[in-house]
Amino acid sequence: EVQLLESGGGLVQPGGSLRLACAASGLSFSSTNYAMAWVRQAPGKGLEWVSIITGRTDRTYYADSMTGRLTISRDNSKDTLYLQMSSLRAEDTAIYYCAKCSLTGTTRCNFDSWGQGTLVTVSS
Amino acid sequence: EVVLTQSPATLTLSPGERATLSCRASQSVGSYLAWYQQKPGQAPRLLIYDVSNRATGIPARFSGSGSGTDFTLTISSLEPEDFAVYYCQQRSNWPPLTFGGGTKVEIK
Repeated sequence: EVQLLESGGGLVQPGGSLRLACAASGLSFSSTNYAMAWVRQAPGKGLEWVSIITGRTDRTYYADSMTGRLTISRDNSKDTLYLQMSSLRAEDTAIYYCAKCSLTGTTRCNFDSWGQGTLVTVSS
Repeated sequence: EVVLTQSPATLTLSPGERATLSCRASQSVGSYLAWYQQKPGQAPRLLIYDVSNRATGIPARFSGSGSGTDFTLTISSLEPEDFAVYYCQQRSNWPPLTFGGGTKVEIK
């Protein structure tokens, strides 16, 4: 069973930076070809896809709302996904979930495994 | 960007009743439409993928139908654990992957 555990959330001032991590167990990044993604959910709101990284080629894609302020990466030796966020705004306040693509070799994903999320609060 | 519109926003039903949730896409997404369930304080859970395929471990009372721009999630007989928020998601025209705004199924 795949388990995903996010960390790194917290309170940050507007304009600040934060690095989120998602450690995977039951899943080997290096021996599989699943894309991994970040999806966020503002308080009381719906789901919003943020970013995705391919399984083997490390191609990356970002939502327009956060382009230029995000870097997604993965460390296959640690089975860990990262999201570096900068120039944070109040509207970036949300729970950030990492999620595993249900299909191999694609970024046209449904997500069949999710972490429990990490809360990012942007406030002065 | 494909906009997914879910209706109704809230559905108030009793256990044992049938629930019918709608998701309409602003342009065709073919058969690349999925449904998720989210309970308070929990992560979303994949229920249905590619319109009508149940994900692993999902009970048969959950079914999906539709194609192109109009899709339906049906829960044939609501169990107490089914009261939650449901989201649709498309993977056809991307980036971005997009989600609907959600339908809350609440107890009458």
